[in-house]
Amino acid sequence: DAKTTQPNSMESNEEEPVHLPCNHSTISGTDYIHWYRQLPSQGPEYVIHGLTSNVNNRMASLAIAEDRKSSTLILHRATLRDAAVYYCILRDSADGLTFGKGTHLIIQP
Amino acid sequence: DTGVSQDPRHKITKRGQNVTFRCDPISEHNRLYWYRQTLGQGPEFLTYFQNEAQLEKSRLLSDRFSAERPKGSFSTLEIQRTEQGDSAMYLCASSLSGLRVLGYTFGSGTRLTVV
Repeated sequence: DAKTTQPNSMESNEEEPVHLPCNHSTISGTDYIHWYRQLPSQGPEYVIHGLTSNVNNRMASLAIAEDRKSSTLILHRATLRDAAVYYCILRDSADGLTFGKGTHLIIQP
Repeated sequence: DTGVSQDPRHKITKRGQNVTFRCDPISEHNRLYWYRQTLGQGPEFLTYFQNEAQLEKSRLLSDRFSAERPKGSFSTLEIQRTEQGDSAMYLCASSLSGLRVLGYTFGSGTRLTVV
């Protein structure tokens, strides 16, 4: 799977929007962009995925650059429960996901 | 369905002992995955099954590790002659089919400590 680059950590305030960036300059045309998050002492949780168009669901929005070399996960109104490690993953096969270190999101009350 | 279940949640064992973990996936999911996660790192892929067939094994899965999914439902991961380096969180996930657009559902993991 192609590699992604994410900041090690980010900090935001409660009830404010959060934009989590991900760079994937070597993405191929068949790679889907997946986001997972992992709360403390839990397994990862699926958040959202997309291919080319921006996507919205009840948890978040995914904005994908026109050249697909970067994407941004948007939490519209962060809560303390959103504090987690967020993983951006490219998936080009039906096999196992390849996780990086992710972004540790800290939410300040 | 309560999601993916893993048992036990925690396991402490002495070096050299064998341990076995169990994973119960979501019932209609035909794919089951095992991952290992050490502190501060993302999960690392170990192996996966489609129904009862083990289709891929990572090079991380040494000869001391064996996984089974005998009837295409629950799975077990056994570690023989445990070493301190085996201390980690072992995560199980399941998904429906192999289509890359589908998300995985993970369990809460089994934390192994080898002393």
